Amino acid sequence: GENVEQHPSTLSVQEGDSAVIKCTYSDSASNYFPWYKQELGKRPQLIIDIRSNVGEKKDQRIAVTLNKTAKHFSLHITETQPEDSAVYFCAAILSNDYKLSFGAGTTVTVRA
Amino acid sequence: SAVISQKPSRDICQRGTSLTIQCQVDSQVTMMFWYRQQPGQSLTLIATANQGSEATYESGFVIDKFPISRPNLTFSTLTVSNMSPEDSSIYLCSVEGGQGVREQFFGPGTRLTVL
Repeated sequence: GENVEQHPSTLSVQEGDSAVIKCTYSDSASNYFPWYKQELGKRPQLIIDIRSNVGEKKDQRIAVTLNKTAKHFSLHITETQPEDSAVYFCAAILSNDYKLSFGAGTTVTVRA
Repeated sequence: SAVISQKPSRDICQRGTSLTIQCQVDSQVTMMFWYRQQPGQSLTLIATANQGSEATYESGFVIDKFPISRPNLTFSTLTVSNMSPEDSSIYLCSVEGGQGVREQFFGPGTRLTVL
């Protein structure tokens, strides 16, 4: 199955700075890469995703980039705000499958 | 996206007992999944709940411990059987967007504590 590694495990940034989380995947057959945000005590919420036919996708202050050759993808949060503090999970799905393989998660803390 | 509810939201149980968790979706969905999230950890897929057939379990999870029902396209249950403290986790159901949409959306989760 797919193996997803995520770094860093924790990230502390000053409000207004950028945050970057990186994930690598093992199976080149993966073609869908979602990112979830989980606030304390809440369910994981899908915040952005990217498919393998696209190199970059943006949605306001968040963006995701994908490098298929290197088999890694990254989440970028610009102009961070306190409400961005949460655990972020990357995931991958194989093209012929439907099961999410999750990274270990990154705890992001935005300092006011 | 679909509206997903779970019951109960939390429970405290004694070891050796069983708990059945319900997942209800407000629209018909083909794919429903059950995940476990141990404290401070990532999400691990337990099984895929198939309508009209047995669930498909991931490595490390067995039907005797986690029996699953899927009687229709909007409802599923997960039972945690013969519980031990190691089963203390959050259990979440998720559904795929359907019609070729690959996004998955999660229910609010059930926080289980086993004493």
